Amino acid sequence: EPEVTQTPSHQVTQMGQEVILRCVPISNHLYFYWYRQILGQKVEFLVSFYNNEISEKSEIFDDQFSVERPDGSNFTLKIRSTKLEDSAMYFCASSGEGGQPQHFGDGTRLSIL
Amino acid sequence: DAKTTQPPSMDCAEGRAANLPCNHSTISGNEYVYWYRQIHSQGPQYIIHGLKNNETNEMASLIITEDRKSSTLILPHATLRDTAVYYCIVRGYRDDKIIFGKGTRLHILP
Repeated sequence: EPEVTQTPSHQVTQMGQEVILRCVPISNHLYFYWYRQILGQKVEFLVSFYNNEISEKSEIFDDQFSVERPDGSNFTLKIRSTKLEDSAMYFCASSGEGGQPQHFGDGTRLSIL
Repeated sequence: DAKTTQPPSMDCAEGRAANLPCNHSTISGNEYVYWYRQIHSQGPQYIIHGLKNNETNEMASLIITEDRKSSTLILPHATLRDTAVYYCIVRGYRDDKIIFGKGTRLHILP
């Protein structure tokens, strides 16, 4: 069964550094998403992306964050100048069309030191 | 905020049916009920969704009341691998984001 894959599984970065989290969505999907989950808290929506542009973003997704689909297969989340509070699990998801179930990857654990 | 109410935790004996309730009294006519689960340290996993008819797939059954104000997810023969947090989500078909609540932590007891 097709699945969403995320790399790396664990990323450790010094505070203030930039980090790029990578995702390969399911191949025929058109909608792409990033969520995060701080340890012990709820899964929170960050951003959705369709037709090469952001379709919706949350208050969390400020100027520190950006997303990109650099080629036909990858979907990336960039965090500039990381902060301690950016430490979390980051999940990528994709869906076939609006409203179809989103399928999630197993996440990247981001640890900011 | 999530539009659903779920019990924080439930226990179920292995091999028995696990019935997870969800209240969504403010659901509107074009909103679907989705269920996801999150096994420890993994990403949320889609289980099933429905609008007003009962649905069944290889993982579970979804029973939606006639007034659509509540639903029940049924895992027919629970195994230890079904231990997870289960999320009931109400979402419009064209909505982008999923709003996760705290879900129900289901413990399957051997």
